[in-house]
Amino acid sequence: ETGVTQTPRHLVMGMTNKKSLKCEQHLGHNAMYWYKQSAKKPLELMFVYSLEERVENNSVPSRFSPECPNSSHLFLHLHTLQPEDSALYLCASSQDKGPRPYGYTFGSGTRLTVV
Amino acid sequence: QKEVEQNSGPLSVPEGAIASLNCTYSDRGSQSFFWYRQYSGKSPELIMFIYSNGDKEDGRFTAQLNKASQYVSLLIRDSQPSDSATYLCAAMNSGGYQKVTFGTGTKLQVIP
Repeated sequence: ETGVTQTPRHLVMGMTNKKSLKCEQHLGHNAMYWYKQSAKKPLELMFVYSLEERVENNSVPSRFSPECPNSSHLFLHLHTLQPEDSALYLCASSQDKGPRPYGYTFGSGTRLTVV
Repeated sequence: QKEVEQNSGPLSVPEGAIASLNCTYSDRGSQSFFWYRQYSGKSPELIMFIYSNGDKEDGRFTAQLNKASQYVSLLIRDSQPSDSATYLCAAMNSGGYQKVTFGTGTKLQVIP
């Protein structure tokens, strides 16, 4: 496996369900991110982990709960979501605090539908 | 509110022409700028980054940065139908980690 791997690719869940999104990076990066992408809106930063420490929590509702057990893995735990949470959820990684930033590598995303 | 503005398009150009994509940003503290290409149903893919005023060329792509005008552009020479995608402009601040603000993207259509 190379790059950034996200699972599942598609997820349909009811508003009372609990599910988790998984992200794994094989690039040796030290920062990982969760972004939400909705139609007609810019990518919205949700959470940032740098060196396994959460450094950003961008006013995200508590029904989204991130977890970063190590520098290669990132989870997004979901519970009691709302239909407006339906979107593409993107994981990304980067090498933070390097001499120059070289941008993100994104995973393929999870298309989430809340019914 | 720190913003990155892009025209949503679609921008239609004939095959072989130059496509010019533009972006402005509001945060004067932004240091680095990125262009991502996103095909429909796919995730964004980094294609160019630029830090210094002026031009940076990579194959058919040229990124241009003017910090005084807070303006970034991407030129695609000899446009191909395979270049049809949404192009996201992004600006990164000078903070301790890579906090990036994205624009909404410009949809490019290259007409064969």
